[in-house]
Amino acid sequence: EVQLVESGGGLVQPGRSLRLSCAASGFTFDDYAMHWVRQAPGKGLEWVSGISWNSGSIGYADSVKGRFTISRDNAKNSLYLQMNSLRAEDTALYYCAKDLGPVPAAPFDPWGQGTLVTVSS
Amino acid sequence: QSVLTQPPSASGTPGQRVTISCSGSSSNIGSNTVNWYQQLPGTAPKLLIYSNNQRPSGVPDRFSGSKSGTSASLAISGLQSEDEADYYCAAWDDSLNGRYVFGTGTKVTVL
Repeated sequence: EVQLVESGGGLVQPGRSLRLSCAASGFTFDDYAMHWVRQAPGKGLEWVSGISWNSGSIGYADSVKGRFTISRDNAKNSLYLQMNSLRAEDTALYYCAKDLGPVPAAPFDPWGQGTLVTVSS
Repeated sequence: QSVLTQPPSASGTPGQRVTISCSGSSSNIGSNTVNWYQQLPGTAPKLLIYSNNQRPSGVPDRFSGSKSGTSASLAISGLQSEDEADYYCAAWDDSLNGRYVFGTGTKVTVL
C-alpha cells in the first residue's frame, strides 16, 4: 500500500524557518515526481512546489518562490520542503502528493494526510 | 489566487445528476488535460478523474469528466449521500515557467 506521511509542522513566528518532511513507502520512490500542496484553513487547494524523480526539474508557485526550497533524498524515500521567511499567509495544512509520472506533469495520487503549519507571533 | 473558476456550490437529491463546471484559459485547460479531485470532509483530497475523462481504479462510473476548449466539467449521476464533498478541478498552466493550478472548488450538498 502506498503511504505518504508528512511531519515537521508546528507553530512558528513570522520570519522564521521550518522544514517539512514526507516519508514515502509502498512504491519505488525514485520512479516518481513529488509535490507539495497546501490548504489554508477553510480555503481551497494551492500547489506549492514539485520535483522530478532525479531533482532535475523543480517548480514553485509564485507565492513561495525564493523563500521555499523543495528537495528529495531517494536513498531515504523522503521529500522535503524548507520554508524560510515565513509569513502569516503561509499558514496552512501542507500535503505531500505523489505524481503519476517521473516528471511534474500531474495528476497527483495519492496524497498524505498533511501537516499543519501555523505562522503567528 | 485560483485561475480556474468553479461555482461555489451545487446540490441535488439522491439519484439526481449534478454537473460542476470549470473555466480556464488557453494556457491551462486549453492546452493541457484536466484532473478532478474529491475532498471528503476532514480528509485529504483524492484523485477522481484524470486526463479529462479517465477514472482511476475504484472510482465509481457514476463520476464522469469532459473537456471542451478552455472549459471542463464533472458530472455525478445517481447522486449518493457519500458524494457530499468538495470538488476541485486542476490543470498544468504553461505560463510563467509552468505551475499546477487548482479550481476555486465546489461544495456538493446532497439534499
